Amino acid sequence: GDSVTQMEGPVTLSEEAFLTINCTYTATGYPSLFWYVQYPGEGLQLLLKATKADDKGSNKGFEATYRKETTSFHLEKGSVQVSDSAVYFCARGQISNTGKLIFGQGTTLQVKP
Amino acid sequence: DVKVTQSSRYLVKRTGEKVFLECVQDMDHENMFWYRQDPGLGLRLIYFSYDVKMKEKGDIPEGYSVSREKKERFSLILESASTNQTSMYLCASRGSGTGISYEQYFGPGTRLTVT
Repeated sequence: GDSVTQMEGPVTLSEEAFLTINCTYTATGYPSLFWYVQYPGEGLQLLLKATKADDKGSNKGFEATYRKETTSFHLEKGSVQVSDSAVYFCARGQISNTGKLIFGQGTTLQVKP
Repeated sequence: DVKVTQSSRYLVKRTGEKVFLECVQDMDHENMFWYRQDPGLGLRLIYFSYDVKMKEKGDIPEGYSVSREKKERFSLILESASTNQTSMYLCASRGSGTGISYEQYFGPGTRLTVT
């Protein structure tokens, strides 16, 4: 069935380090892809999205490119801050257009000063 | 501003109690969702609703039911709470349309502990 796989955490980085969180998805059709972020004690917020192959989503210095050939949507940031410490979820839409999303297991990022 | 609210941030219930979790959205969205979030498992869909009085089972509906009597409100019901239902519960909503890229908007979550 449809699935999303993220790299396991936690990921611990120093401030200003480069961040990559890997995400791959099952290749059924051409789903929309999303990254959500969950800050401590809060619900999920949409960080960025991409709707078709080669699209690049970006927001708050984060970027991810929809790679159809590798079925990947890796999240990157050039220089992380302590305030980026959160749990990051990769998700894909279902082709049936029910609006349902399939989430990865989440990756915890901790940024140290 | 988009808003999804949940009735409680923290809830403690006893085994066997009937539990109601309420979710309200103010965006006139047709679609609403209930997830549970557990460490290492991500978010798993319990139920969703695509219109008033319409519902569909998600991936893990056992032990839960839902109610959608009004468009803005979607309730999750634990008929007889058990300790394995201790979890974070997240509600979300989404508008309908042809664009499957429409994002879901999430509430702050309810952390439920069943003792």
